[in-house]
Amino acid sequence: EVQLVESGGGLVQPGGSLRLSCAASGFTFSSYSMNWVRQAPGKGLEWVSYISSSSSTIYYADSVKGRFTISRDNAKNSLYLQMNSLRAEDTAVYYCARDGVYSGDRSYYFDYWGQGTLVTVSS
Amino acid sequence: DIVMTQSPDSLAVSLGERATINCKSSQSVLYTSNNKNYLTWYQQKPGQPPKLLIYWASTRESGVPDRFSGSGSGTDFTLTISSLQAEDVAVYYCQQYYSPLPAFGQGTKVEIK
Repeated sequence: EVQLVESGGGLVQPGGSLRLSCAASGFTFSSYSMNWVRQAPGKGLEWVSYISSSSSTIYYADSVKGRFTISRDNAKNSLYLQMNSLRAEDTAVYYCARDGVYSGDRSYYFDYWGQGTLVTVSS
Repeated sequence: DIVMTQSPDSLAVSLGERATINCKSSQSVLYTSNNKNYLTWYQQKPGQPPKLLIYWASTRESGVPDRFSGSGSGTDFTLTISSLQAEDVAVYYCQQYYSPLPAFGQGTKVEIK
């Protein structure tokens, strides 16, 4: 059974940093691209970042480019999101999501999602 | 950037009746090289992560009831629930993956009338 479990969320002050993790199990993690998607309270979904299976290709949404860094450790079956210079508008539930295309070279659709971790940016 | 616009923002449908949700992209999401529409649909129930329903505009994900269907091509797409059930109350999102930077529609809330 595919499982994605996010952790690392919490309350942080504006300008602060936070590192999210996503532990994957139930599939060959090193063969799939991964994504982060966020959802502000009561709002819709916003794609945040993509990383290919080998980490060779990375994309970011304009809203986080230069502040967030996606990475992965295939030996640990883990995905990460380093978030710096956090702003109030970054407050959201952050989901990690598996890309639905095996060994894809870009983001497609997302076939498995974690339960999410809440990040709150407030003073 | 490709902008996705859904309509309506919300709709109320009687149990057993048809629900139709529209999604329009600001540019075509049809790749002519493989004749595939890079469009997907998700269902999100309160307190839960999104669930994949449809991909490539009309391919139903395994385990998704056949009352859910996707159609359309180019810039205009539709998600149809042929006979609404109580468990279908949710917010539905379309998403394009034609661009390397995916984008979601704003969501459509489906309720029981």
